[in-house]
Amino acid sequence: SAVISQKPSRDICQRGTSLTIQCQVDSQVTMMFWYRQQPGQSLTLIATANQGSEATYESGFVIDKFPISRPNLTFSTLTVSNMSPEDSSIYLCSVATPRDSEAFFGQGTRLTVV
Amino acid sequence: AQKITQTQPGMFVQEKEAVTLDCTYDTSDPSYGLFWYKQPSSGEMIFLIYQGSYDQQNATEGRYSLNFQKARKSANLVISASQLGDSAMYFCAMRGNTGFQKLVFGTGTRLLVSP
Repeated sequence: SAVISQKPSRDICQRGTSLTIQCQVDSQVTMMFWYRQQPGQSLTLIATANQGSEATYESGFVIDKFPISRPNLTFSTLTVSNMSPEDSSIYLCSVATPRDSEAFFGQGTRLTVV
Repeated sequence: AQKITQTQPGMFVQEKEAVTLDCTYDTSDPSYGLFWYKQPSSGEMIFLIYQGSYDQQNATEGRYSLNFQKARKSANLVISASQLGDSAMYFCAMRGNTGFQKLVFGTGTRLLVSP
């Protein structure tokens, strides 16, 4: 299994500012995923982060708004830029392992933009 | 494309009773995996159970079991002996045939367990 530490756990931010969310894994993983969960909704994938390459973004998400870094095999960050109240969501990181039966998540970051 | 459908927005169950949460899926992948997660109000995603498409037996994990009917493309979660702490959102998810793919989630079911 993989233990994922995500921080901050929650934050309240002013519109127009940016927040960087960190995700630290206790083992090396090839792929990390960033999801968004808007209030009362399901999880939607923002992007997939591979070490040493640009992140791959899903339709509707762009790098300027959600830049992602993946400096090594145990760490990734997601930045929510130029925030508006519509960005208020829970953001979760997840990791993939070679075992098909595993899919682990960080504790989530509950973001409120005012 | 993969799709998960959870048709029960909310379910109620009395403590100590069993409850079934429905999940149907659609995929063209010959091999896939199905997951169930519990999300309490804290927001974390707690892994409950996994079923591989080629697994011969239904998965079980403690009080959780998965009623997998491949021909019907359904993967219902059964929680036995419900507890008050089971009150949460429950999400069904699937991914394709390797561990290096994204998860696709259903819309979730909110379960409330009453005393």
